[in-house]
Amino acid sequence: NAGVTQTPKFRVLKTGQSMTLLCAQDMNHEYMYWYRQDPGMGLRLIHYSVGEGTTAKGEVPDGYNVSRLKKQNFLLGLESAAPSQTSVYFCASSRTANQPQHFGDGTRLSIL
Amino acid sequence: DQQVKQNSPSLSVQEGRISILNCDYTNSMFDYFLWYKKYPAEGPTFLISISSIKDKNEDGRFTVFLNKSAKHLSLHIVPSQPGDSAVYFCAASGGFDSWGKLQFGAGTQVVVTP
Repeated sequence: NAGVTQTPKFRVLKTGQSMTLLCAQDMNHEYMYWYRQDPGMGLRLIHYSVGEGTTAKGEVPDGYNVSRLKKQNFLLGLESAAPSQTSVYFCASSRTANQPQHFGDGTRLSIL
Repeated sequence: DQQVKQNSPSLSVQEGRISILNCDYTNSMFDYFLWYKKYPAEGPTFLISISSIKDKNEDGRFTVFLNKSAKHLSLHIVPSQPGDSAVYFCAASGGFDSWGKLQFGAGTQVVVTP
């Protein structure tokens, strides 16, 4: 009964370091999304995928890359971390475009 | 440019009374609206949705109302319970090439007092 699982839950990076956030879903959903949430703001879409092997840019894609090599996994990469990328990152998935998205519990990322 | 706005950052309500949360949007292409509930250190949890072909949707204690002409939706929680204390996000999607992409409001912190 896992739903959407995000790894890791917390991470501290130094400016310029790289890392990958992993999202895994076990609901066989086609659509997957990465959001970031900053204080006083709603969630903003970084990248999304409408199926295995596809990715597309969201509202705030700069500084991030994604890959969806397997249907159940959606990876978010930071090639050269910047303090402005300090945020809480949420992954979500949905069966179709017009069905509710299911969210993971987030990854809290701090860039020093 | 924020297309979904929740103008009340916080709401305090007594247990057993009605909670009314409001949300305004600017994009007339939005045709699917959702409310999410979020507890600290957890991801948002889907609460209720409504499509633009309806003006009301009800699920237990939760009712969402949509006023398309005013570009306004609201969430009513009756009766409010202590477990309803959380942040509530309004979200919307729709239009050409939307692919289910959601635009979120900034959230309303609800506190239910005994």
